[in-house]
Amino acid sequence: ETGVTQTPRHLVMGMTNKKSLKCEQHLGHNAMYWYKQSAKKPLELMFVYSLEERVENNSVPSRFSPECPNSSHLFLHLHTLQPEDSALYLCASSQEYGATEAFFGQGTRLTVV
Amino acid sequence: EDQVTQSPEALRLQEGESSSLNCSYTVSGLRGLFWYRQDPGKGPEFLFTLYSAGEEKEKERLKATLTKKESFLHITAPKPEDSATYLCAASLSRTALIFGKGTTLSVSS
Repeated sequence: ETGVTQTPRHLVMGMTNKKSLKCEQHLGHNAMYWYKQSAKKPLELMFVYSLEERVENNSVPSRFSPECPNSSHLFLHLHTLQPEDSALYLCASSQEYGATEAFFGQGTRLTVV
Repeated sequence: EDQVTQSPEALRLQEGESSSLNCSYTVSGLRGLFWYRQDPGKGPEFLFTLYSAGEEKEKERLKATLTKKESFLHITAPKPEDSATYLCAASLSRTALIFGKGTTLSVSS
C-alpha cells in the first residue's frame, strides 16, 4: 500500500465519547500534519510533527490531543467534543517540514451529535 | 498577516470553454506555491509546485504560472471530469502550508 491512509473514513460520536483518528504514511516522509476542513473555510492547520517532535500547535482546544509514536504513524485523540467540531479531518505528510509539497489522506468525516 | 486569496469562489464553464483561476498571496518570504485538486469528500490531490516568478508547469489541460504576487491555474478546453475544487497554498520558511478557500469549478457537457 502506498500514500497516506486514514481510518476511519466516517465517524459519528456523542459529546461524551472518546475516539481516536489514525493516520499512516508509506512515503518515508519526515513530517506529518493534522488539518481541519470546514465548509466555506480554508484548511486549518492543527498540529505538525517533524521527526516525531511536535513543532506547531495552532491554538487547538485541549479536547484534541495528537500523538506521533513513530515517523509513519499519527493519531488524533478526541474527547468531549462539541457539535462545531464536526468537519473533515485530514492527515498529510511531506518529505521535510517546510517548503515541500504535502500529500494528503482521504480524510475522516467526523460528526459530533 | 500572511494570507492566500483565491478567486473566483465558484466558476461554471461549458465543456471546451477555457478559463483561469487566480491565487493571490501576501506572504513574506515565499518558499513555494502549490496547487491541489480536491474532489467532494476526499483529500486534496497534489498538482503542481512553483518556486520562482516566471515559472510554469503543465499537466494535461492544466497549466500553472507564478508571478511575484499571484499564481494562475489555466484550464484549456476543460472536460466534465475536471470539475472539482482547486486549492492554492503558500509555503513559508519553516512553516506548514497556508491554504486559500479554493475555487469550485463545474464543467458541464
